Amino acid sequence: GQSLEQPSEVTAVEGAIVQINCTYQTSGFYGLSWYQQHDGGAPTFLSYNALDGLEETGRFSSFLSRSDSYGYLLLQELQMKDSASYFCAVRALGGSQGNLIFGKGTKLSVKP
Amino acid sequence: DARVTQTPRHKVTEMGQEVTMRCQPILGHNTVFWYRQTMMQGLELLAYFRNRAPLDDSGMPKDRFSAEMPDATLATLKIQPSEPRDSAVYFCASGLVVGSGDAEAFFGQGTRLTVV
Repeated sequence: GQSLEQPSEVTAVEGAIVQINCTYQTSGFYGLSWYQQHDGGAPTFLSYNALDGLEETGRFSSFLSRSDSYGYLLLQELQMKDSASYFCAVRALGGSQGNLIFGKGTKLSVKP
Repeated sequence: DARVTQTPRHKVTEMGQEVTMRCQPILGHNTVFWYRQTMMQGLELLAYFRNRAPLDDSGMPKDRFSAEMPDATLATLKIQPSEPRDSAVYFCASGLVVGSGDAEAFFGQGTRLTVV
């Protein structure tokens, strides 16, 4: 099976950089995804790492290290609108190919 | 503007009643997911369909929950009978899975279910 661990809450100030970590235990997966969810809204896709290394999309970057069973989402130049919950997710290999499992999410609060 | 559509957006029902939630996935997507979200458990996968076939419903309480895809444009999640502990937001998501090249899931706006 799969399990993903994330910190439950993170607080940072506007303009700062914050890193949200995700450690996982899984028997095999295609890649690590990150989703953002604002209060009352639906999760929306942010980034995907199929291979080890860093993927950059504007102010957001995501990193994966399969050997360390670890990934992170890096948010730079934080803005108030970045206050949301962030979820890491993996898509399983094997019998449930394509199955998408989420961590419990990290609530990011950005302060002025 | 392609999007996943869920109905109803809100549902309040009495314990013991049947609840049916509907989802229209994005045209051309071959996978559909049903998730339940609560503060305590986060996003729990209830069911997963690929090309309309159920591939994983291990997270779904089988005695009261059922999920189907009668055709490619409609997925349903049914609870019968409903219980107060079923109160949650239920999300449907769809995606296009082609090998390992695409992992993005597009979520609907959810159905907020309250069972009293």
